[in-house]
Amino acid sequence: EIVLTQSPGTLSVSPGERATLSCRASQSVSSSYLAWYQQKPGQAPRLLIYDASSRATGIPDRFSGSGSGTDFTLTISRLEPEDFAVYYCQQYGSSPFTFGPGTKVDIK
Amino acid sequence: QVQLQESGPGLVKPSETLSLICSVSGFSIPSADYWGWVRQPPGKGLEWIGSIYRGGGTYSNPSLKSRVTISLDTSKNQFSLSLNSVTAADTAVYYCARARGYCTDGTCSTWFDPWGQGTLVTVSS
Repeated sequence: EIVLTQSPGTLSVSPGERATLSCRASQSVSSSYLAWYQQKPGQAPRLLIYDASSRATGIPDRFSGSGSGTDFTLTISRLEPEDFAVYYCQQYGSSPFTFGPGTKVDIK
Repeated sequence: QVQLQESGPGLVKPSETLSLICSVSGFSIPSADYWGWVRQPPGKGLEWIGSIYRGGGTYSNPSLKSRVTISLDTSKNQFSLSLNSVTAADTAVYYCARARGYCTDGTCSTWFDPWGQGTLVTVSS
């Protein structure tokens, strides 16, 4: 099973600033099959990025994903008030599909 | 626009079977390749439970061993989850989702989009 580690656990950022979130896998993720989700309190996760760098439909271009192998990054270029949430990565390169523990982005 | 809605009992007794249904609207289930279930214990992270593919093939997280059954009911545009022999550790918000991705030689790799709103299932006597 591939274990995903996300860092930092909490990221305090001011609106308008850039946020960089990391997701590291315990072994190489096949074909860069990695997705990122955003979850707000009391809501279901929302897909942001799939295949490591493809933005999902309707996702603003301030969200971008990069990486391959074992190291992946989600970047939010300029934080908007609605971006403060928890972000999860998920690998689907091998079964069982696994999620990281999440990074909480809160207001500085 | 595809929408998913979970339904089922909010309280299940230990050792009994948890049964949930996911009703899909705005999209015909046979038109999609994959559907899945994910859960989230209160205050914790996400865990993939299992997925079902259009051909009816299923596979689930080994951590849940053989307790999971996922099935499709195309006549009702629904799919379902059964988890037997539940314990308090199965208390979670259960989400259904459309799974999207790729299948090669019978192996499927999928992300989840969109998700239902989730339903809290508590295991307690």
